[in-house]
Amino acid sequence: GESVGLHLPTLSVQEGDNSIINCAYSNSASDYFIWYKQESGKGPQFIIDIRSNMDKRQGQRVTVLLNKTVKHLSLQIAATQPGDSAVYFCAERSHGSSNTGKLIFGQGTTLQVKP
Amino acid sequence: EAQVTQNPRYLITVTGKKLTVTCSQNMNHEYMSWYRQDPGLGLRQIYYSMNVEVTDKGDVPEGYKVSRKEKRNFPLILESPSPNQTSLYFCASSLGGGAVEHFGDGTRLSIL
Repeated sequence: GESVGLHLPTLSVQEGDNSIINCAYSNSASDYFIWYKQESGKGPQFIIDIRSNMDKRQGQRVTVLLNKTVKHLSLQIAATQPGDSAVYFCAERSHGSSNTGKLIFGQGTTLQVKP
Repeated sequence: EAQVTQNPRYLITVTGKKLTVTCSQNMNHEYMSWYRQDPGLGLRQIYYSMNVEVTDKGDVPEGYKVSRKEKRNFPLILESPSPNQTSLYFCASSLGGGAVEHFGDGTRLSIL
């Protein structure tokens, strides 16, 4: 039979608008979260992080919100620019049986910025 | 400049021909790991290393080997590559397990 590739969710925004990218995480015991940006042909790059004892953290043009009640993380990008076009994904830190920390990555969201 | 360097960036090879992808970091990080990235499956960890001579399996270790003889280097070895190992591979390093990982720019492997 024919195989169909899975496509990442895509968010398309107008240049200058604000973007909100969402992520649902899986483990209520996760204590640390990171947002990464991956541009075409490059590896993921760190954007911002947040610990589970916080609800909000701001960086330059980016804000991360954490809602532990519903296990939801969001990344807000203010005044989105063409250079923000990339795949964004979240990572949560879980701990294995040996208490070794490990990052678990989400599937990612493609952000397209229209000029 | 702090970086993780992978080589080669692209490789097309045939089934069964052993290959090694090198990875080097200049940040004196103790933790290093290898991931593969496939459409719809995201980043999956292959192997990781907590320190020199300490390596352990990640989520998808079958068909791969690694070694950590020096702190800065963490090569990924495919002893007998098969087509299902065609993928985009990333090496990463960090201060420790669960800390922010710094990624290389990836190696795209095609196994025919």
